[in-house]
Amino acid sequence: GAVVSQHPSRVICKSGTSVKIECRSLDFQATTMFWYRQFPKKSLMLMATSNEGSKATYEQGVEKDKFLINHASLTLSTLTVTSAHPEDSSFYICSASKTDYPGANVLTFGAGSRLTVL
Amino acid sequence: QKEVEQNSGPLSVPEGAIASLNCTYSDRGSQSFFWYRQYSGKSPELIMSIYSNGDKEDGRFTAQLNKASQYVSLLIRDSQPSDSATYLCAVNDPGRRALTFGSGTRLQVQP
Repeated sequence: GAVVSQHPSRVICKSGTSVKIECRSLDFQATTMFWYRQFPKKSLMLMATSNEGSKATYEQGVEKDKFLINHASLTLSTLTVTSAHPEDSSFYICSASKTDYPGANVLTFGAGSRLTVL
Repeated sequence: QKEVEQNSGPLSVPEGAIASLNCTYSDRGSQSFFWYRQYSGKSPELIMSIYSNGDKEDGRFTAQLNKASQYVSLLIRDSQPSDSATYLCAVNDPGRRALTFGSGTRLQVQP
């Protein structure tokens, strides 16, 4: 199966600091990873698509200078929340795709990282 | 704007009953459809994928797809209290590899 590891699972930080979240595909190579954000009782909203060896593609309304994404290898993508503020508190979930069917992309999710900004 | 719609629930069913979860989507170009289960505070886990019109069964779960009606559903037979969770419908975004998620239906199975 496809396993995605995400770390840390929980982080509490002070306002103005930066937080880095790591996402690793453990048993497959992922040229593309996706970062989602989920607020309480809301659905998953795609923030950005992380592309190995190139710049990430951000969704409309997501600040690329605030949410820095680096995908330096085929198994690791990182999301850095810079100058975090309380409104950035959320559940951040990464996912990677392992092709299940031509044209289909089954997403496997990491365990998620709950960020609380004080 | 591409949309995936689900009734937020909660949908409450007694233990042993069939739970029926529904989802509609707006983009006729979508080709792949998924149901994920999410327990509170956890990340989603894949339950079923379906790509062709008709039914697909896996154990107690049956996914149904009707592309003409832009409708996908999930049936859970012999519902168990452990099935209580939020069920997310997800649809592929044509031309991209990302998935668009519905807001989820909260299922409560009463013992």
